Amino acid sequence: DIVMTQSPLYLPVTPGEPASISCRSSQSLLYFNGYNYLDWYVQKPGQSPQLLIFLGSNRASGVPDRFSGSGSGTDFTLKISRVEPDDVGLYYCMQALQTPLTFGGGTKVEIK
Amino acid sequence: EVQLVESGGVVVQPGGSLRLSCVASGFTFDDFTMVWVRHAPERGLEWVSLITWNGLNTYYADSVKGRFTISRDNGKNSLYLQMDTLATEDTAFYYCARAGDYCGGDCYSLDFWGQGTLVSVSA
Repeated sequence: DIVMTQSPLYLPVTPGEPASISCRSSQSLLYFNGYNYLDWYVQKPGQSPQLLIFLGSNRASGVPDRFSGSGSGTDFTLKISRVEPDDVGLYYCMQALQTPLTFGGGTKVEIK
Repeated sequence: EVQLVESGGVVVQPGGSLRLSCVASGFTFDDFTMVWVRHAPERGLEWVSLITWNGLNTYYADSVKGRFTISRDNGKNSLYLQMDTLATEDTAFYYCARAGDYCGGDCYSLDFWGQGTLVSVSA
């Protein structure tokens, strides 16, 4: 199974400031087609998880361009250029390459 | 508008059984692989099971293999999860999700999720 490791576990942020979450996989998520099979999700309080970034760096429909995904192989980063109060929630990376699909442990983003 | 609506979550005793349902609308259901994911209290997201568009291929997390069965009825735009021999560790919100078609069926990015249904296993 592919193990996903996220950091930090807890991320207090100041509105207007940037924020960054790291995710590492135990094996490469770079597929032969050149795509990295790594997604980012956010679960806001009281809501279902929603897709933020797919295939490493592609924003899902409706996701603000403040969010960006980068990285390749085994090391990935989610960046928020300017945090807004609505961004609070649990952020997860997930490898979409093979079953069992596996998630990182999650990063709780809260406003300072 | 894509919608996924789960139902069937209740309080059940350890060792009991339950069937969850997920009704899909707003897209061609039988074009997509579907997935169940759960979120237990104080724990992160955990993938539970996956079924391909035609129902011919199914996959399970080790934690539920042999106890849970995923199925679908494309004529009814419905996804199911039969849960047997339930244990307290199965207590969680259960979400159905659609695997979007971003790479010709080779990847499983979950682009739409239902609102979830709560399964509570307790004596």
